[in-house]
Amino acid sequence: DAGVIQSPRHEVTEMGQEVTLRCKLISGHNSLFWYRQTMMRGLELLIYFNNNVPIDDSGMPEDRFSAKMPNASFSTLKIQPSEPRDSAVYFCASSPPGQGREKLFFGSGTQLSVL
Amino acid sequence: KQEVTQIPAALSVPEGENLVLNCSFTDSAIYNLQWFRQDPGKGLTSLLLIQSSQREQTSGRLNASLDKSSGRSTLYIAASQPGDSATYLCAVRPQMDSSYKLIFGSGTRLLVRP
Repeated sequence: DAGVIQSPRHEVTEMGQEVTLRCKLISGHNSLFWYRQTMMRGLELLIYFNNNVPIDDSGMPEDRFSAKMPNASFSTLKIQPSEPRDSAVYFCASSPPGQGREKLFFGSGTQLSVL
Repeated sequence: KQEVTQIPAALSVPEGENLVLNCSFTDSAIYNLQWFRQDPGKGLTSLLLIQSSQREQTSGRLNASLDKSSGRSTLYIAASQPGDSATYLCAVRPQMDSSYKLIFGSGTRLLVRP
């Protein structure tokens, strides 16, 4: 099992550009979480999907952020337009159904730098 | 609003020493508490999960305890090794939150010196 796969590992972009982060869940998992990690604010949940449906998006900073699950194994997080304050490490995590849902499996993250 | 605090922020110990990492949370109404490990440039790995009804969980050299009423958890690492060097984060799941949202502490950065 390859684990949760995120791409790209690093992204450097200029302010105003669109950024798309990608995540492939572990096979059989049906919950998907996007987290953001910064030195100032630590780890924050952005959005949570269950069975491809967004359940809680209260952590999404503003309308510039959007997330989708076009199928059961893949998700994207898009920032448009990007701003320097969006610079952070973005993690996605997945978990299996049932009681195993409590245990999250994290990807290695995407380091985003917006200049 | 639930807040999670971890003390100390950083810790350096010689190899072989037993150590304790601390985590406190302000609202005792939690569903569970997890301890994670994060290596530089990597994601988080779940180490131990304690349900609110449990007092402790053990995995190898790791033992995590939970005192929900006082809002505290500890992670005990026995016979520390250089490979244990990493950042350790604790996270709570609020009891009334159905979204499986975890509230994370800022972590303790551990260095085990050979």
